[in-house]
Amino acid sequence: NAGVTQTPKFQVLKTGQSMTLQCAQDMNHEYMSWYRQDPGMGLRLIHYSVGAGITDQGEVPNGYNVSRSTTEDFPLRLLSAAPSQTSVYFCASSYQGLGTQYFGPGTRLLVL
Amino acid sequence: AQTVTQSQPEMSVQEAETVTLSCTYDTSESDYYLFWYKQPPSRQMILVIRQEAYKQQNATENRFSVNFQKAAKSFSLKISDSQLGDAAMYFCAYRSSSGTYKYIFGTGTRLKVLA
Repeated sequence: NAGVTQTPKFQVLKTGQSMTLQCAQDMNHEYMSWYRQDPGMGLRLIHYSVGAGITDQGEVPNGYNVSRSTTEDFPLRLLSAAPSQTSVYFCASSYQGLGTQYFGPGTRLLVL
Repeated sequence: AQTVTQSQPEMSVQEAETVTLSCTYDTSESDYYLFWYKQPPSRQMILVIRQEAYKQQNATENRFSVNFQKAAKSFSLKISDSQLGDAAMYFCAYRSSSGTYKYIFGTGTRLKVLA
């Protein structure tokens, strides 16, 4: 099993550009989520999904879109990048019943 | 809404000694999960230990153990025989066992291990 994979590992964007961060898991987990990690602020939940076709907002959803067409994939879209979105982004997944969340390796995003 | 608080931004411990990292949380639920995750410089989030709230027995994983005080809403992590490889950020996290299953993370504690 590859676990949770994320691409790209690092990306530089200009203000106003759009892009999609990819996340995939091969563990058949129902629950998937996106976090951003900023210095001194821990991990903050952006969006999450409890199954294919179902998504909801987390703590900091503005400027981001998600969709969940399959159990395996949960892409995060930045519609118009802003310098405030410079961060490290983590995708995670878990079985809803068992609780333990597994993380991808992270994507470092720099918006100029 | 649930909250998780880690009041120690940074801790230091001498190699081979014991250190305790603190975590408190706030919830009105009776059933939930609590976790400690380790984030080394590689940035990978690694599960250290988990605790189900309905279990009174404190969870242990080798040198790592927790002190779970449900009434006080406290969940501290004890690392025994500290090793240089334990140096990392440690995050405490909460997850409800029902509803939306959202995870709430604390702001982290940076642990330094001194040789």
